[in-house]
Amino acid sequence: QSVLTQTPSASGTPGQRVTIFCFGSSSNIGRDTVHWYQCLPGTAPKLLIYNNNQRPSGVPDRFSGSKSGASASLTISGLQFEDEGDYYCATRDDFLDGPVFGGGTKLTVL
Amino acid sequence: QVQLVESGGGVVPPGRSLRLSCAASGFTFSTYSMHWVRQAPGKGLEWVAGTSYDAGHKFYADSVKGRFTVSRDTSKNTLYLQMNNLRPGDTAVYHCAKEKASYRWGEVLGYWGQGTPVTVSS
Repeated sequence: QSVLTQTPSASGTPGQRVTIFCFGSSSNIGRDTVHWYQCLPGTAPKLLIYNNNQRPSGVPDRFSGSKSGASASLTISGLQFEDEGDYYCATRDDFLDGPVFGGGTKLTVL
Repeated sequence: QVQLVESGGGVVPPGRSLRLSCAASGFTFSTYSMHWVRQAPGKGLEWVAGTSYDAGHKFYADSVKGRFTVSRDTSKNTLYLQMNNLRPGDTAVYHCAKEKASYRWGEVLGYWGQGTPVTVSS
């Protein structure tokens, strides 16, 4: 069981906007930056958002992130079929030595 | 471009050992901390172990502490994970990943390999 909680699933139709949430505590999200990883079928996990709201080069601007207190969110605008996959939030925790991940949110594009 | 290619996975009975390798290229290996992250079937991502850029610090998840050892060989640009006393719960795809920024630890995993599958079963 992860120290970061994500809604297990989310869905939307092409073109819609979807928001995925990640809830933590004062020992993790509350004191450190949040990152988001995208896992698409058959591909290596990919960094999508880092330091709450920064996009690596090559990530479309329809992906955006934010953080408030001990929670964070990932918003995907203009949803596309190729966005279907699993999304994980991550950060550091005061009581653990390495990165901690949320349980993941499975995004379905209907 | 950055490439991380894992190898060494396979099917082993409980109690046996395996050594995973991650061949790195496209960046200055000696300046980046490296990690192992696994994903069990139907489960989420779990950080397993990592080593600082200079191998001076090595950290492990509680679930593998005392059984797994992470190491790196800068001359070969390769990261390793020695896994001893394997358990069925260690069954997963094991990915290696590099920090996004050089000389940093445990922050952003900027690039990941495809992974190598490990199955622990009798």
